[in-house]
Amino acid sequence: AQSVTQLDSHVSVSEGTPVLLRCNYSSSYSPSLFWYVQHPNKGLQLLLKYTSAATLVKGINGFEAEFKKSETSFHLTKPSAHMSDAAEYFCVVTNTGTASKLTFGTGTRLQVTL
Amino acid sequence: DGGITQSPKYLFRKEGQNVTLSCEQNLNHDAMYWYRQDPGQGLRLIYYSQIVNDFQKGDIAEGYSVSREKKESFPLTVTSAQKNPTAFYLCASRGTGENSPLHFGNGTRLTVT
Repeated sequence: AQSVTQLDSHVSVSEGTPVLLRCNYSSSYSPSLFWYVQHPNKGLQLLLKYTSAATLVKGINGFEAEFKKSETSFHLTKPSAHMSDAAEYFCVVTNTGTASKLTFGTGTRLQVTL
Repeated sequence: DGGITQSPKYLFRKEGQNVTLSCEQNLNHDAMYWYRQDPGQGLRLIYYSQIVNDFQKGDIAEGYSVSREKKESFPLTVTSAQKNPTAFYLCASRGTGENSPLHFGNGTRLTVT
């Protein structure tokens, strides 16, 4: 079985300050983990993915995430928020061997203020 | 450019009518998926297909039907049996390999009145 929990439904930051979006997962096997971003009325775009090669994963637009097995976490961070980062972010988990089964978190809406 | 095309972007229908949402991909992916998105609920899997002429029910398949006659196409029909069809529908595809990510279309917003 697998599940993913996004700990905050809404996060608000000021432009230029750090961003932290939290994600915890549970998985019976070695997981693959993804972060996606969704702008209003658009599809989801892949930000980054963890596939056991390196625990610190760098993605697009300056985002990165660190896989911490001991904490079962995969938090998304960015050193300095930009207005264009305002969107919904989804954490996704899949187990190796279950290629068709991906589990989505309920999303975190990021607001960026001036 | 390779990608997934969903059409139309907005769709309006009267209650009791069936409606079909189009999804086409040119990524040469075997697996395709349909998700429904409602505010505050994330994405829920409706149907998926891992190969042509084969598909499986997801978590919320009731009131929906699909076909997969061609690798490139995976249309979704929202039938009159779907009790609450108004939603944002997202189509996705995925390449082979356990670590392959999903690639999404830009969605169709269906409103049924």
